[in-house]
Formats: sequence, C-alpha cells, structure tokens
Amino acid sequence: QSALTQPASVSGSPGQSITISCTGTSSDVGTFNLVSWYQQHPGKAPKLMIYEGTKRPSGVSDRFSGSKSGNTASLTISGLQAEDEADYYCCSFAGGRVFGGGTKLTVL
Amino acid sequence: QVQLQESGPGLVKASETLSLTCTVSGGSIGSYYWNWIRQPAGKGLEWIGRIYSSGNTNYNPSLKSRVTMSVDTSKNHFSLKVDSMTAADMAVYYCARDGGEKPGAFDVWGQGTMVTVSS
Repeated sequence: QSALTQPASVSGSPGQSITISCTGTSSDVGTFNLVSWYQQHPGKAPKLMIYEGTKRPSGVSDRFSGSKSGNTASLTISGLQAEDEADYYCCSFAGGRVFGGGTKLTVL
Repeated sequence: QVQLQESGPGLVKASETLSLTCTVSGGSIGSYYWNWIRQPAGKGLEWIGRIYSSGNTNYNPSLKSRVTMSVDTSKNHFSLKVDSMTAADMAVYYCARDGGEKPGAFDVWGQGTMVTVSS
C-alpha cells in the first residue's frame, strides 16, 4: 500500500474556491468508491468531511464537495472562510486503508 | 452519541511493547469496525489496522509483523499492542470507528494519545 498523493499546500483568499487533489492507482481510488476526506486543525483529531467520494455527513457545510475522475479524487471548498484553514487528508479503501500525505490549506 | 477514549502509558521504552485501549461509550461496540491510526509529530496519518466486533482483523502490511488487536465486547473496548517499539513509532495514536452508515469512512474519532519512546 503506497500513500495517496496530495499537494503539500494550497492557498486561497476568503470567498474564493480551492480544490485539493488526491491521486492513487487502479488498486485503490480508481476501483473503489470509498474515498473519504478529513479536516484536521492543530492539536485536534481529524474530522470526517466527505465519505464515499461525494457524500457529506450531517452538519458539514455544503461548501465542501467531493468528486472523482479515474484514479484521482478531489475535494473542493467554495466560499473560503478563515475557519477552513487546516490540514486535509484523503483516504481510500485498498483492502485495508491508505491515506494521502496531507495538504495544508492557508486562507490568505 | 458515541464517544471514544484512548488510554495507556504515554511513555514506552525502546524494544518494549506498547499497549493501548480504546473505550467506546454512548453506543455498542457491535457491528462496526474499530481502527487504530497514528500520526508522528508534524507528519501525516498512518492506518495501523482494524478489528471487527467479532474479532476479525486487518492490519497494515508494513506493521503486520508487530501489531496485535483484540476486542472485549463485555467491556465495550478494544486494544492495540505494538511490539519492539522504536523511535519511529513515536506518534499520537487515535482510535476511530468505521463502517455502518458511512462505509469506508472514519466517522468517530478519539481525542488521541501521545506515545513517546525512551531509549
């Protein structure tokens, strides 16, 4: 199981939209519709933001959306807010589980 | 509302075994997968493995030779053992639930417990 590939960092201004990519292989992201996304603020446990690639848990803002194309999943955050500044991780089913390396989102 | 709480020693000597327990409150341990995930300081998340309430396990191949998980349904808790600890195993260790209504996703997390390895 190799880690999924995410950009180390992305940034955007308040109100803008950003997209974080998560690239895997045909053995994980490309085959299974079981990609999830997590938000982690410093010193806190991760929080589930997206599951099954596109679904939002109750209570998660509809500014967060997920998609997938081939071996790459994506998380889009629209209408950026200061509170969105955090680390974001993707995770895919691959027999077990494999995480991406994480992306630090900076809200300028 | 289901809550998870990790417990165990925060300091382990190199070459010894780490033992952690995650207690499930507010719900039953049945019918879910229960996972351990770790995060070294300043680094990303690493999935260690999971155990079903029946006792079936899946481990990360990179850690499989040193990891053992168990579940005690009567106490509503599950446990992790990692043998032959080294400095590379220093991390915050989280327990998390997956399965149920959100397949493949970790929808409930513990607060995490920091584990330090001393030489």
